[in-house]
Amino acid sequence: AQSVTQLDSQVPVFEEAPVELRCNYSSSVSVYLFWYVQYPNQGLQLLLKYLSGSTLVKGINGFEAEFNKSQTSFHLRKPSVHISDTAEYFCAVSVYNTNAGKSTFGDGTTLTVKP
Amino acid sequence: NAGVTQTPKFQVLKTGQSMTLQCAQDMNHEYMSWYRQDPGMGLRLIHYSVGAGITDQGEVPNGYNVSRSTTEDFPLRLLSAAPSQTSVYFCASGTVKNSPLHFGNGTRLTVT
Repeated sequence: AQSVTQLDSQVPVFEEAPVELRCNYSSSVSVYLFWYVQYPNQGLQLLLKYLSGSTLVKGINGFEAEFNKSQTSFHLRKPSVHISDTAEYFCAVSVYNTNAGKSTFGDGTTLTVKP
Repeated sequence: NAGVTQTPKFQVLKTGQSMTLQCAQDMNHEYMSWYRQDPGMGLRLIHYSVGAGITDQGEVPNGYNVSRSTTEDFPLRLLSAAPSQTSVYFCASGTVKNSPLHFGNGTRLTVT
């Protein structure tokens, strides 16, 4: 079975500062990796995904993430955040070649961007 | 583009009452699932379906039933609500392989 650990439950940051949200995973087989964002009172939306190929993936709203197989990590980064990036972020992993809908989710990281 | 539609948005039940949370998707996705979201616990899979007539249990299935008679609909039934089922419930859909999930906006359920 796979597992996901989001290392920070809350990340406060000032507007225009860079941010990194950390995600480590555990799996005995190859995996797909996802980051989702949840704005208040809404469902989750896909931010970006890693299926194969380049280990640096770019997503919406200027976010990017790097897959590091040796460190089993998939950290999310943005060079300059905006107030509108305040939301909860979830890292998810699913086993290679299975339905990504059976993804295992981390507990979430609340990003708060302050003016 | 409706995507994944959940109803109702809010519901308050008394212990022991039953109800059905509705979920419909218009993207012809084979896969549908129900998650519950509790503070500090991320999302936990309750039940899922890989097509009409096929359902299976997820991580936390106790107290919930599902059925999938059509591709579009995947209702979640609580037969006898308990306070431990107070949560936010999300329905999600996707294609079977390699795809991310599309989520509804959730149903906030309170059981008193």
